[in-house]
Amino acid sequence: AQKVTQAQTEISVVEKEDVTLDCVYETRDTTYYLFWYKQPPSGELVFLIRRNSFDEQNEISGRYSWNFQKSTSSFNFTITASQVVDSAVYFCALMTYNTDKLIFGTGTRLQVFP
Amino acid sequence: DAGVIQSPRHEVTEMGQEVTLRCKPISGHNSLFWYRQTMMRGLELLIYFNNNVPIDDSGMPEDRFSAKMPNASFSTLKIQPSEPRDSAVYFCASRPGQGYENTEAFFGQGTRLTVV
Repeated sequence: AQKVTQAQTEISVVEKEDVTLDCVYETRDTTYYLFWYKQPPSGELVFLIRRNSFDEQNEISGRYSWNFQKSTSSFNFTITASQVVDSAVYFCALMTYNTDKLIFGTGTRLQVFP
Repeated sequence: DAGVIQSPRHEVTEMGQEVTLRCKPISGHNSLFWYRQTMMRGLELLIYFNNNVPIDDSGMPEDRFSAKMPNASFSTLKIQPSEPRDSAVYFCASRPGQGYENTEAFFGQGTRLTVV
């Protein structure tokens, strides 16, 4: 079975703080894909990043960075120098090659205060 | 491209009525997903189509829910009869196909359903 756990329900920070959103996944498949999506207050789901299970290289995109560690089954997301516009619910998701289903975690609500 | 288009954006209906949600996937995408989002259960995958064929409907909560994809450009999710606990935001998503380069799912704006 596949499962995604986002233990942090809600995080509040003040602008310019760094914040890390945790994601732990479970799967028996050796080929899988991990994703992060952002859901701003307007409600749409916005794709942020995708990694496959054979690529553990960390990625940085502007103020966003992702740390993928197979040894701990984690795919954490860090926002550096957070801004008010980062306030949203962030979802981690998993898709295995065998099931082909995109399964989401319960999400972490991030509130960035000015 | 206009993206995934869902209609209606908002639906308010009385308990017992039939509700039909519609989705137009991105042209050329072969996979389509229906999700339901609630505060209690988060984002749940209801059903998944590939090349218009339902592949996995294990997430459909009960027989009151049905989904169809008569062609590559249209899908419906029907609830009959509707109940207050069906109130949620329903998302449709499409994906180009299988394989690593095709795994990104694009979501519609969602349909907010309220059953009173």
